[in-house]
Amino acid sequence: GQQLNQSPQSMFIQEGEDVSMNCTSSSIFNTWLWYKQDPGEGPVLLIALYKAGELTSNGRLTAQFGITRKDSFLNISASIPSDVGIYFCAGQLPNAGNNRKLIWGLGTSLGVNP
Amino acid sequence: EAGVAQSPRYKIIEKRQSVAFWCNPISGHATLYWYQQILGQGPKLLIQFQNNGVVDDSQLPKDRFSAERLKGVDSTLKIQPAKLEDSAVYLCASSLNSLGGAYEQYFGPGTRLTVT
Repeated sequence: GQQLNQSPQSMFIQEGEDVSMNCTSSSIFNTWLWYKQDPGEGPVLLIALYKAGELTSNGRLTAQFGITRKDSFLNISASIPSDVGIYFCAGQLPNAGNNRKLIWGLGTSLGVNP
Repeated sequence: EAGVAQSPRYKIIEKRQSVAFWCNPISGHATLYWYQQILGQGPKLLIQFQNNGVVDDSQLPKDRFSAERLKGVDSTLKIQPAKLEDSAVYLCASSLNSLGGAYEQYFGPGTRLTVT
């Protein structure tokens, strides 16, 4: 099935550093969602983006909906140990109607060294 | 506001046995989803309900998987008979059926299934 290209696949940073990850597609999306998943838990919604160019923040997290509608990025500033986890992007194709199926990336695994 | 509830959290069965998972969505959420997540991958949609009707079950292995949402609230997902490759986390999610928030899916903690 269709998937989003998410990069990097994994990263390990020092506490206090900023981190950036992105998601790209060959298709145009209407919606971009960013989730974080901790081990043994379900994904938790971090940020939802609905308009091309939209820049939205949630605390230390900032995400943007790319102008081309084919990409999105997530930035985490001043990382802390609890930021450890897997970050997923998910997108909604246009003309989906009642079918709210999300297309998912494979995730970016983030490690933070205290 | 209570989140999406799922049970059990863990289940270990032998191949060819059957298993059922239960999900109670966030109150007022008309749309309910069941996902399968294999280790190292993103969630894969199995089935989507809107109220008690099926919207998308194109990736549900219908020879062994079934799901129902009889009263448009809680839902069960069943596997019968289970295979080794069914070992995964089964996630339930729900979303509002309205513009602006329709695509924001909220997930439960998942059920980790191990088939031996």
